[in-house]
Amino acid sequence: KNEVEQSPQNLTAQEGEFITINCSYSVGISALHWLQQHPGGGIVSLFMLSSGKKKHGRLIATINIQEKHSSLHITASHPRDSAVYICAAYLLTDKLIFGTGTRLQVFP
Amino acid sequence: DVKVTQSSRYLVKRTGEKVFLECVQDMDHENMFWYRQDPGLGLRLIYFSYDVKMKEKGDIPEGYSVSREKKERFSLILESASTNQTSMYLCASSLYPGQGDTEAFFGQGTRLTVV
Repeated sequence: KNEVEQSPQNLTAQEGEFITINCSYSVGISALHWLQQHPGGGIVSLFMLSSGKKKHGRLIATINIQEKHSSLHITASHPRDSAVYICAAYLLTDKLIFGTGTRLQVFP
Repeated sequence: DVKVTQSSRYLVKRTGEKVFLECVQDMDHENMFWYRQDPGLGLRLIYFSYDVKMKEKGDIPEGYSVSREKKERFSLILESASTNQTSMYLCASSLYPGQGDTEAFFGQGTRLTVV
């Protein structure tokens, strides 16, 4: 079993829809990252959080430490949001490990 | 801006060759990581290093070794490349957890093909 699980694996949406991607982890962590990977491979860090909630533009990330769960929300989705979204957990052992990613496609 | 630079974007090597993938970061980060990314399997940790000359095995270290002689440089070595090592390789760096913002930064990736 992976220590970091993401759902869904694939997600399609119409432009303007509210999107939620979930990440659960089974071990102790010091921080959790949400990353975005566009075709071509480049990875961009969206958020790093260890508690509570962060917002950047139309993106919101939340984490519930007790439930070992984090969510990434995209409000008013747009075709340019189409990408693979990956959560990554910084374990207490200093390892940084990844979920398998959620492929998001937003159609006009 | 943090920069994590991987030496090559695309590489084609022959089976049995020794392959070096280089990664350099310019933000004085202690932690550096090497991953490979394969369809359906996501990013899997090969090795990581938390200091100069220090290394730890990740989830799939077999067939790989690493070298960290200087803080800014972390090299991944394929001693004898095999076709099952054809993959996208990504390098990342970050501060230690607890040093404030441990945001991870990634190189652009090296797509290695072993023929």
